[in-house]
Amino acid sequence: AQTVTQSQPEMSVQEAETVTLSCTYDTSESDYYLFWYKQPPSRQMILVIRQEAYKQQNATENRFSVNFQKAAKSFSLKISDSQLGDAAMYFCAYSGSARQLTFGSGTQLTVLP
Amino acid sequence: EPEVTQTPSHQVTQMGQEVILRCVPISNHLYFYWYRQILGQKVEFLVSFYNNEISEKSEIFDDQFSVERPDGSNFTLKIRSTKLEDSAMYFCASRDWALFNEQFFGPGTRLTVL
Repeated sequence: AQTVTQSQPEMSVQEAETVTLSCTYDTSESDYYLFWYKQPPSRQMILVIRQEAYKQQNATENRFSVNFQKAAKSFSLKISDSQLGDAAMYFCAYSGSARQLTFGSGTQLTVLP
Repeated sequence: EPEVTQTPSHQVTQMGQEVILRCVPISNHLYFYWYRQILGQKVEFLVSFYNNEISEKSEIFDDQFSVERPDGSNFTLKIRSTKLEDSAMYFCASRDWALFNEQFFGPGTRLTVL
């Protein structure tokens, strides 16, 4: 079974600074997808960014980018120019042949003004 | 922009009662999912549904749970006899057949079992 590990339960960052959230996963599959979801206090799950495992190029969405290291099974999220609205719980998630999402335990991000 | 909707937003019930949580997936999506999140914990997969039948289910999804697509738009999760430990946020999600496995989540139903 696949597992997803987020080792940082809480992180904080100064507004306008950069922060990196860590995620590692374990799988025997070669074809899969990785995602970062944001969950604000409303508890809505919002997709931030996705990465296809067959792509070597790291995904980027505006201020959000990932560092995908397939051999190391690592998938970190970098948030540049952090804004107050970025404060939320961030979940790393894996989707493979079974298609359902397996989530990590989350990282609570605080943005300090 | 199309979105997944869920009703009710909050459901309070007594232990032992049956509840039905409703979801309207995005109209052209073919795969449907239920997840739950106990307060302060991670999101856990319950069940996936495709072509009018369950395609995968987790060990959480026992005989107390059932899912149904009663018409062309709704997707429901029924809990037959609720327990205190069923208190959680329940998320419905749907996806297209080929869209990077990306699942679109509804806003969730908060279930409180007293």
